[in-house]
Amino acid sequence: DTGVSQNPRHKITKRGQNVTFRCDPISEHNRLYWYRQTLGQGPEFLTYFQNEAQLEKSRLLSDRFSAERPKGSFSTLEIQRTEQGDSAMYLCASSLLGGDQETQYFGPGTRLLVL
Amino acid sequence: GENVEQHPSTLSVQEGDSAVIKCTYSDSASNYFPWYKQELGKGPQLIIDIRSNVGEKKDQRIAVTLNKTAKHFSLHITETQPEDSAVYFCAARETSYDKVIFGPGTSLSVIP
Repeated sequence: DTGVSQNPRHKITKRGQNVTFRCDPISEHNRLYWYRQTLGQGPEFLTYFQNEAQLEKSRLLSDRFSAERPKGSFSTLEIQRTEQGDSAMYLCASSLLGGDQETQYFGPGTRLLVL
Repeated sequence: GENVEQHPSTLSVQEGDSAVIKCTYSDSASNYFPWYKQELGKGPQLIIDIRSNVGEKKDQRIAVTLNKTAKHFSLHITETQPEDSAVYFCAARETSYDKVIFGPGTSLSVIP
């Protein structure tokens, strides 16, 4: 099964530390999305890429957050100087732009706990 | 921007009964409405979707209806089974930005 994969699955860090998450999309998918999900809520859009270009960033994405997709394949999401409010599940999704469908397929997520 | 509301927030049904989850959206230009199922500790999984040029779509025990005029859409699950227990999210895609906006979710419990 070559679905969306995310690493690590869990991360515990201390406030003020930097963390980096990785997402590997479905291989032929040219769009990649990052979402954040807190307990009891739906996923909230953070940013998305088409190939290597970052096309949109949510206002939720403060300047402590940065995302990259350097070769148009995998993506990384880095959070600098983590805060307790950053504790959440970070979800990655990918899709194939074009044609009549643009369904987003989600990975299992990275659960972040900031102590 | 788009805003999606979802009701109820929790739903309990007896095994074999039907479950209905309703959503409304605000942006009349939205044209794609997926439904996702999320089990504990997992990412959302697409179960069915519908486009704005279709009023109803069915896939085995799952069906979705869309009323563009009223800007609401619903998920219907028939003959519910315990493995249907999960959190279900409706969503709408903003045509302007191609991003998907999710509702707050419905926690469905199917009681054996």
